Amino acid sequence: DIVMTQSPDSLAVSLGERATINCKSSQSVLNSSKNKNYLAWYQQKPGQPPKLLIYWASTRESGVPDRFSGSGSGTDFSLTISNLQAEDVAVYYCQQYKSSLTYTFGQGTKLEIK
Amino acid sequence: QVKLQESGPGLVKPSQTLSLSCSVSGVSVSTDGYYWIWIRQHPGEGLEWIAYSSYTGVGNQNPSLRSRVTISVDTAKNEFSLKLTSVTAADTAVYYCARIPTYYDSSGSYFGYFDYWGQGTLVTVSS
Repeated sequence: DIVMTQSPDSLAVSLGERATINCKSSQSVLNSSKNKNYLAWYQQKPGQPPKLLIYWASTRESGVPDRFSGSGSGTDFSLTISNLQAEDVAVYYCQQYKSSLTYTFGQGTKLEIK
Repeated sequence: QVKLQESGPGLVKPSQTLSLSCSVSGVSVSTDGYYWIWIRQHPGEGLEWIAYSSYTGVGNQNPSLRSRVTISVDTAKNEFSLKLTSVTAADTAVYYCARIPTYYDSSGSYFGYFDYWGQGTLVTVSS
């Protein structure tokens, strides 16, 4: 299985500042022939289902504010939230979908306001 | 607008079978290019995929649950279902249904992410 490891487990950032969450995969999730990284980011607020934010590592889902951005390739990825808003408080998960035989998620990163 | 909604008993006794349905609106489950998946989240923990299927029955199950899981798609009702047998307290979780878009190119089809999710339903296994 591809193991996804996020860092940090939690972080506190001031309103208006930038938050960066990292995700590392145990194997590359890049499909070189397609030039696509099979990596998604989800946001989960308390009592709600996960919401897709980013797919193909850097493509923002429709309706997601442009302060959310994804980057990285191969095994190292980041989710950056610029100009942090109160409504961004949530747990964020990365997920690899390169192996549809064994989808795997990171353990989650809890984002709070400082 | 695509919507998914889980339904089923919130309490199941140990050793019995957990049965859930996911009603889909805004898209037909028999639309080519989509798979349908069940995911669960143990209380306070991360996400675990359970099983997925297309309307033709092509799919897969998490190896850790394979012997106990059945997923089926009912095109007439526009829903898909999950059965998990011989449940224990370790199966207590919030169960989500979701959609997987698939993509096609010259090399064939390939799976995407989970783009639409249901609200989730808590299933507790207890006597």
